[in-house]
Amino acid sequence: EVQLVESGGDFVQPGGSLRLSCAASGFTFSSYWMHWVRQAPGKGLVWVSRINGEGSSTSNADSVRGRFTISRDNAKSTLYLQMNSLRAEDTAVYYCARETHWGPDYWGQGTLVTVSS
Amino acid sequence: DVVMTQSPLSLPVTLGQPASISCRSSQSVAYSDGNTYLNWFQQRPGQSPRRLIYRVSNRDSGVPDRFSGSGSGTDFTLKISRVEAEDVGVYYCMQGTHWPWTFGQGTKVEIK
Repeated sequence: EVQLVESGGDFVQPGGSLRLSCAASGFTFSSYWMHWVRQAPGKGLVWVSRINGEGSSTSNADSVRGRFTISRDNAKSTLYLQMNSLRAEDTAVYYCARETHWGPDYWGQGTLVTVSS
Repeated sequence: DVVMTQSPLSLPVTLGQPASISCRSSQSVAYSDGNTYLNWFQQRPGQSPRRLIYRVSNRDSGVPDRFSGSGSGTDFTLKISRVEAEDVGVYYCMQGTHWPWTFGQGTKVEIK
């Protein structure tokens, strides 16, 4: 059974940093592109970042470019999102998701990041 | 970025009746490989999104056959043949053809 379990969400002040983790199981982690998608409270879904199976290719949404870094450790089957220079508008539930057929098929339960003074 | 526009944004439905959600993209989401990477997701209250449909009309594993997708180019539709109580939630379309991926605003399905 495919499982994705996010952790690391917290309350942080503007300008602060946070690292999210996503532990994967039930599939060959290194064979899949992985993504982060976020959802602000009461709002819709927004794609944030992606990384290929090897970890050699990444891209980010314009809204987080230069501040967020996606990475992965295939030996640990874990996906990461390093979030720096956090802003109030980054407040959201962050989901990790596996990609198949050019879309996210399995999603984690999400982890809440709150940026506020 | 490709803008995905859903309608309606709110859809009250009667149990056992059909429901239909429209999704339009600001440009064609057909790719040069002949595929159209249009996905549909369901998000039940308090839950994570779940993909229902990929590449316009292909149901993901475990998705009931009352859900169907259709369309091409810039116009797409998700249909529920007979709405059940468990179908309550927000439905999103998403295009995976152009970077960045973009989602529609969501359509809230509720029971009358």
